Amino acid sequence: LAKTTQPISMDSYEGQEVNITCSHNNIATNDYITWYQQFPSQGPRFIIQGYKTKVTNEVASLFIPADRKSSTLSLPRVSLSDTAVYYCLVGVDAGNMLTFGGGTRLMVKP
Amino acid sequence: KAGVTQTPRYLIKTRGQQVTLSCSPISGHRSVSWYQQTPGQGLQFLFEYFSETQRNKGNFPGRFSGRQFSNSRSEMNVSTLELGDSALYLCASSPGQGGTDTGELFFGEGSRLTVL
Repeated sequence: LAKTTQPISMDSYEGQEVNITCSHNNIATNDYITWYQQFPSQGPRFIIQGYKTKVTNEVASLFIPADRKSSTLSLPRVSLSDTAVYYCLVGVDAGNMLTFGGGTRLMVKP
Repeated sequence: KAGVTQTPRYLIKTRGQQVTLSCSPISGHRSVSWYQQTPGQGLQFLFEYFSETQRNKGNFPGRFSGRQFSNSRSEMNVSTLELGDSALYLCASSPGQGGTDTGELFFGEGSRLTVL
């Protein structure tokens, strides 16, 4: 059963780069790693997904080392509107459950 | 394209009652999953359905059940409500086939249940 661990909270300032790391030591071979963003009173929103190495889209980058036991979400030049909770999700083979990490509460300050 | 719709958005029940929550996925999505979110436990997976079949189930008691209809709409039911069942219940749909293919999930805004 995959289990993920993330920092509970992080603080940053506008314009800085933020890196949030998720540990998933027993990730399975077929598992993808997906990150979500959640604002208060809203459902989580997909940010990025990857399997290995590096993935980049218009809002973030995802770095996954060769052993895939961790992943790092990188948010370039954050703004106040990036203040949210960020979740790491590791999919598990059919027959098991989808496991979200505890979430990282990011606070971006002016 | 309309997003995931959950009803009702808010509801208040008393201990011992039962509740049914509804979820309409994005048109064309056949996989629907449910999550419970509480301040203390975070986002916890309840169950996942694909083509009317439950594919995965989380570690919740049998009081929590669900089903999916032929039009992919889904309902979840909680019987004999307890105070600890107060939570935000989130539904997500996916174009994939569930399981490891459930990568990009599209979430609704949730149904906030308060049990008194």
